[in-house]
Amino acid sequence: EVQLLESGGGLVQPGGSLRLSCAASGFTFSSYAMSWVRQAPGKGLEWVSVISGSGSSTYYADSVKGRFTISRDNSKNTLYLQMNSLRAEDTAAYHCAKQASTVTAHFDYWGQGTLVTVSS
Amino acid sequence: QSVLTQPPSASGTPGQRVTISCSGSSSNIGGNYVYWYQQFPGTAPKLLIYRNNQRPSGVPDRFSGSKSGTSASLAISGLRSEDEADYYCAAWDDSLSGWVFGGGTKLTVL
Repeated sequence: EVQLLESGGGLVQPGGSLRLSCAASGFTFSSYAMSWVRQAPGKGLEWVSVISGSGSSTYYADSVKGRFTISRDNSKNTLYLQMNSLRAEDTAAYHCAKQASTVTAHFDYWGQGTLVTVSS
Repeated sequence: QSVLTQPPSASGTPGQRVTISCSGSSSNIGGNYVYWYQQFPGTAPKLLIYRNNQRPSGVPDRFSGSKSGTSASLAISGLRSEDEADYYCAAWDDSLSGWVFGGGTKLTVL
């Protein structure tokens, strides 16, 4: 059974940093691309970033480019999102999602999300 | 403002057929597959339709997807109260080199 468990969310001040983690199990982690997708309270889904299975390719939404960094440790079956220079508009639940294969394949499994609140 | 355009709301009575539209452009829907997700409050999204019109195992055949040009639609027939949820379309965008979502449609079963 595929399981994705996010952690690392919390309250952070504007301009601060936070690192999210997503522990994956139930599949061969290194064989699949992975994404972060966020959802602001009461709002819709917004894709944030995707990384290939090997970690060699990464893509970002314009809204986070230059501030967020996606990475993965295939030896630990863990996906990360390093978030710097956080803004109020980054407040959201952050879901990790498994792609069905490559970065352009759909999201077939999602985690429950971890809440990030950016506020002073 | 979402790259893909969906109506914010839709409604129907039990047993009815409802459709939810998703409009995009040549760089996303026009040149790539469309996917649909269902989300209940407080839960993670669930894949409903992949590659325009394919249903994952376990998804009832009451749900169907279609695509024409730069638009796509999700149809739900034999509407049931448990279908009340938010529905999102998604596609890869070649110009943005990233995924784009519709703003979501809240389906109400009257």
